[in-house]
Amino acid sequence: DIQLTQSPSSLSASVGDRVTITCQASQDIHNNLNWHQQKPGKAPKLLIHDVSNLERGVPSRFSGSGSGTDFTFTISSLQPEDIATYYCQQYDNLPFTFGPGTKVEIK
Amino acid sequence: QVQLQESGPGLVKPSQTLSLTCTVSGGSISSGNYYWSWIRQPAGKGLEWIGRIYSSGGTNYNPSLKSRVTISLDTSKNQFSLKLSSVTAADTAVYYCTRGGRFDPWGQGTLVSVSS
Repeated sequence: DIQLTQSPSSLSASVGDRVTITCQASQDIHNNLNWHQQKPGKAPKLLIHDVSNLERGVPSRFSGSGSGTDFTFTISSLQPEDIATYYCQQYDNLPFTFGPGTKVEIK
Repeated sequence: QVQLQESGPGLVKPSQTLSLTCTVSGGSISSGNYYWSWIRQPAGKGLEWIGRIYSSGGTNYNPSLKSRVTISLDTSKNQFSLKLSSVTAADTAVYYCTRGGRFDPWGQGTLVSVSS
């Protein structure tokens, strides 16, 4: 199985701060990487597909980058409504796998 | 736009079979080159992909669950289903259905508890 590690596991930042989450794959996943946001008590929601493609309606403060095995998710200016857990997810190899998640809180 | 909705019993006894259905609305489950997945999440934990079914009926399962999982398709009802046999307390989780490799969209999820 492809292992995805995320860092940090949690973070606390102020409104307006830039937030960066990293996701590292145990092998090359050929950019078949997505990012999901899960707010408390809710289903996950796809924010970014294929490393850097923002889903329709997702604010432009969210972005993604990377290639091969190393990927980054960024919130350029943290907003109160961004409180959530963020998961990276690969669909390059079966079984599809998720990172353990990064919990984002407001300081 | 496509929407997914999970349904099924919220409580299953140990050793029995968990059965859930995902109803797809706003589009045909048979159209496009999509596959349809089940994913679960124990309380306070991460996400685990269970398996998928293509619109053609072909399936792939997570090896960790493969011996106990069956995913099937009912195109006449625009639904796909999950059966997980010989359940234990470790199978207690919120179960989600979703589409494609992007996992978009997601159903709202349904909590299944395994308890006697």
